[in-house]
Amino acid sequence: QKEVEQNSGPLSVPEGAIASLNCTYSDRGSQSFFWYRQYSGKSPELIMFIYSNGDKEDGRFTAQLNKASQYVSLLIRDSQPSDSATYLCAVTSGGSYIPTFGRGTSLIVHP
Amino acid sequence: DGGITQSPKYLFRKEGQNVTLSCEQNLNHDAMYWYRQDPGQGLRLIYYSQIVNDFQKGDIAEGYSVSREKKESFPLTVTSAQKNPTAFYLCASSIVPTRSIHEQYFGPGTRLTVT
Repeated sequence: QKEVEQNSGPLSVPEGAIASLNCTYSDRGSQSFFWYRQYSGKSPELIMFIYSNGDKEDGRFTAQLNKASQYVSLLIRDSQPSDSATYLCAVTSGGSYIPTFGRGTSLIVHP
Repeated sequence: DGGITQSPKYLFRKEGQNVTLSCEQNLNHDAMYWYRQDPGQGLRLIYYSQIVNDFQKGDIAEGYSVSREKKESFPLTVTSAQKNPTAFYLCASSIVPTRSIHEQYFGPGTRLTVT
């Protein structure tokens, strides 16, 4: 059973701070890693994907992948109240293109 | 504008009735998927399809049926056999499954309430 674990939160950070969201996965053969943002009542929106160890930056977002430790993180710099949402981690494993989703972490950015 | 459309946004049905949820995409994606999301839960895969006229069961296919007669369309029928049909239903699509990266893009969702 492939598992993707996320702390449900809520994670509360002040405006302007760095928000750090973490995701661990059980399958060592995992290859592709995705972060989605989901506002309340809306559908998930793809933010980033990463497949190589290290960091990948896109604007205020940085994805960090450590395959040896089996975790992937999403950092949000200069957090804004509009970043308040649930962040879903999704992982695909070798031989399958169907991702396994975590339950998501709720992020609250307060002014 | 390219994208995925789902209709209707909200749907109300009486118990015992079948209901069909629409999903259309104009992204020229080969693969399409149906997920169900319940409060506080992750996304659970119902059915997926890689090509026209072919589809596979996901983790929770019981009580659901699909068809894929056109590349652009992947309707989901929630039958009366589904014991707890009230949920948020999400349709997604992705480009050729044989690529190494398979990012999925989601439609706006249909919120189904069965009473």
